[in-house]
Amino acid sequence: SQQGEEDPQALSIQEGENATMNCSYKTSINNLQWYRQNSGRGLVHLILIRSNEREKHSGRLRVTLDTSKKSSSLLITASRAADTASYFCATDPSGANSKLTFGKGITLSVRP
Amino acid sequence: NAGVTQTPKFQVLKTGQSMTLQCAQDMNHEYMSWYRQDPGMGLRLIHYSVGAGITDQGEVPNGYNVSRSTTEDFPLRLLSAAPSQTSVYFCASSYFRSPLHFGNGTRLTVT
Repeated sequence: SQQGEEDPQALSIQEGENATMNCSYKTSINNLQWYRQNSGRGLVHLILIRSNEREKHSGRLRVTLDTSKKSSSLLITASRAADTASYFCATDPSGANSKLTFGKGITLSVRP
Repeated sequence: NAGVTQTPKFQVLKTGQSMTLQCAQDMNHEYMSWYRQDPGMGLRLIHYSVGAGITDQGEVPNGYNVSRSTTEDFPLRLLSAAPSQTSVYFCASSYFRSPLHFGNGTRLTVT
């Protein structure tokens, strides 16, 4: 069963613009993670936010978490062509990281 | 700095054949897992292991077997391949309570 649902399914922006991606989930979580997947490659971890945190930053990435709405957003500022990839949110119910549930992903295209 | 290595990269099987997808990691991670990725479905957990000798089922375990005899290796066995098992398979590993490191996948086609 899919826990995380990303929105939109696809996003196309111009280089330099900001990209905002959303993730909603259904059950309680210990943490939520965002991963990036380049075409033909495995997923790469971007950022983790715990259920008691509201916002987290890492370089050009900003993640927010609203546990009352069961939703998270990933903001990529000043996007680059190299940010073109699929982005997935993953929820961890226990904190053990042993049973992550991934969403279906968002395809981001950044036009040069 | 190999990380998580999956072999083969591509495989074509006929219905009913069996095979083993290999996964090895050189980071001494306790936790290893197998996911399958299908179009429009995201990643779904097949099996996982929290240490040598310990395995457990994920969301979609039917038709797959795993074993974990060493910390480094976590092979995934398809017992009798079916077209529904056509997918891209990813192996991942991590330290306990840490983010996952993924291999680059095995693309399997069952005809």
